[in-house]
Amino acid sequence: AQSVTQPDIHITVSEGASLELRCNYSYGATPYLFWYVQSPGQGLQLLLKYFSGDTLVQGIKGFEAEFKRSQSSFNLRKPSVHWSDAAEYFCAVGGAWLGNTGKLIFGQGTTLQVKP
Amino acid sequence: EAQVTQNPRYLITVTGKKLTVTCSQNMNHEYMSWYRQDPGLGLRQIYYSMNVEVTDKGDVPEGYKVSRKEKRNFPLILESPSPNQTSLYFCASSSNNSPLHFGNGTRLTVT
Repeated sequence: AQSVTQPDIHITVSEGASLELRCNYSYGATPYLFWYVQSPGQGLQLLLKYFSGDTLVQGIKGFEAEFKRSQSSFNLRKPSVHWSDAAEYFCAVGGAWLGNTGKLIFGQGTTLQVKP
Repeated sequence: EAQVTQNPRYLITVTGKKLTVTCSQNMNHEYMSWYRQDPGLGLRQIYYSMNVEVTDKGDVPEGYKVSRKEKRNFPLILESPSPNQTSLYFCASSSNNSPLHFGNGTRLTVT
């Protein structure tokens, strides 16, 4: 079955500390992987994506993620968290767009709280 | 500006009263879809459309209808809303090898 698991529902970090949000997926084909962020009352904004190539991808707002096929993981990292990073983060997996539904399967989300 | 526009942003209605949530995109995207977001469940796909006049069910289609008469528009129709359809709804669009672009959401409450 296709699925995405974000093991941490809620994470609290201090401002300036490093961050890692975990994501594990189960997908039968070559996965396309995404991280989205949702601020309160807002839609989902794409942070970064992995389609192929270099397994370490850089995104916006200083985020990066590493694709590890052997571990079926796509963890999101940031070296130094800012208060404005407090939001809900979603990991998602999908397949090739052509000839496919283009559907993304989302994890349950991880809420990030940043302490001053 | 490239965007996906949903209306309304907030909607409170009563059981059984038909409603439509509109969605429009200005990026000439072929693919559009609707998701609902519920606490602890993430986002689940309701319906999707690969192009004009082509629609299909997602994971949770019961109680919803859609249409795709024009490329830019993809309305979500609840013929007889029920309280279990109280949720946050997102419309999204994309094209080949492009990520999903999401609207800002519609928070629906059915009493």
